Amino acid sequence: AQKITQTQPGMFVQEKEAVTLDCTYDTSDPSYGLFWYKQPSSGEMIFLIYQGSYDQQNATEGRYSLNFQKARKSANLVISASQLGDSAMYFCAMRPNNDMRFGAGTRLTVKP
Amino acid sequence: EAEVAQSPRYKITEKSQAVAFWCDPISGHATLYWYRQILGQGPELLVQFQDESVVDDSQLPKDRFSAERLKGVDSTLKIQPAELGDSAMYLCASSSPGAFPDTQYFGPGTRLTVL
Repeated sequence: AQKITQTQPGMFVQEKEAVTLDCTYDTSDPSYGLFWYKQPSSGEMIFLIYQGSYDQQNATEGRYSLNFQKARKSANLVISASQLGDSAMYFCAMRPNNDMRFGAGTRLTVKP
Repeated sequence: EAEVAQSPRYKITEKSQAVAFWCDPISGHATLYWYRQILGQGPELLVQFQDESVVDDSQLPKDRFSAERLKGVDSTLKIQPAELGDSAMYLCASSSPGAFPDTQYFGPGTRLTVL
């Protein structure tokens, strides 16, 4: 069965510093996609970054990068130069086939 | 920029009443999803449409929930009768099956409170 685990219910980071949000997954499918979404208090899920299981390089999108360690089945999100607007819930998700599974999320708070 | 539209944004109802949520996906997106997100948890899929056909409704409580996408564009999710445990955020998402990756784009959600 596919499973996504986010072990950090909450994280704090000082403005302008980098932060890593952890995500581990479990699947027996050889081909899958990993996604990170941001959910502000308004409720909308905002797509941040994607990593394919066969991608050789870690994905990057602006200040977001994904530290993909396939053998360890981890896909940690790194946010560089944190901003106050980064305060939100962050969800890791995996899609091996038709079924997208989400983790329980990590609440990130950026301190001024 | 294309967006997924949902209405209403907030809905308060009493138990045993009927409620309905509407979703308009990004133009051209053939795949539409309805998710339920209970406070403090990640979204869970309720139903997935490909055009007007249901692809997956295995997690939809069919005794009280129904979903339709008659013309393969916008969609309605209905709950009848609503129960206290249905209080949650209901999120709609869409994706284009021909795109890579097939990223799901979400609407703003409908926050349902059942009293």
